Amino acid sequence: SQQGEEDPQALSIQEGENATMNCSYKTSINNLQWYRQNSGRGLVHLILIRSNEREKHSGRLRVTLDTSKKSSSLLITASRAADTASYFCATDARGGSNYKLTFGKGTLLTVNP
Amino acid sequence: NAGVTQTPKFQVLKTGQSMTLQCAQDMNHEYMSWYRQDPGMGLRLIHYSVGAGITDQGEVPNGYNVSRSTTEDFPLRLLSAAPSQTSVYFCASSSQLGRYEQYFGPGTRLTVT
Repeated sequence: SQQGEEDPQALSIQEGENATMNCSYKTSINNLQWYRQNSGRGLVHLILIRSNEREKHSGRLRVTLDTSKKSSSLLITASRAADTASYFCATDARGGSNYKLTFGKGTLLTVNP
Repeated sequence: NAGVTQTPKFQVLKTGQSMTLQCAQDMNHEYMSWYRQDPGMGLRLIHYSVGAGITDQGEVPNGYNVSRSTTEDFPLRLLSAAPSQTSVYFCASSSQLGRYEQYFGPGTRLTVT
């Protein structure tokens, strides 16, 4: 079963614009992670935010976490064509095994030059 | 460091054949996992291991076997391939699954006819 669900499923923007993707989850979590996948490649870790954190930055990435709403957002500022990829959130559910991450179905981001 | 390596990159099997997907990591990570990725489904956990000699089932374990005799290697065996196992398979490793980022291999694209 999917714990995290990304929204929207697909997003198309122009270079230089900001891109926002959302992730909702169902149960309490220890942390939430965002990954990027370029077409035909493996996933690459972007950022991890713990349940006691509300916001985290890494370069042009900004992640927020609202545990009361069980949701997270990933903002990519000043997007570039190279940001074209699928983006996945992954959650480690609190109270369950520490050893499992559950991935959402992803948001396909297309950045047009 | 090579990171996480997977072989082969592509494989075509006939229904009923068996094969082993290889995965190796050189980061001395305790935790290793196998996922399958199908269109529109995100990543689903097949099996995972928390150390040499210790494995457990994930979300979709049927039809797959794993073993972990060394820290470095975590092979995935398909006992009798079925068309439903046509997918892209990713291996990942982590210093502590769920708590820290996972490092993914490049994937194996498997087609079962």
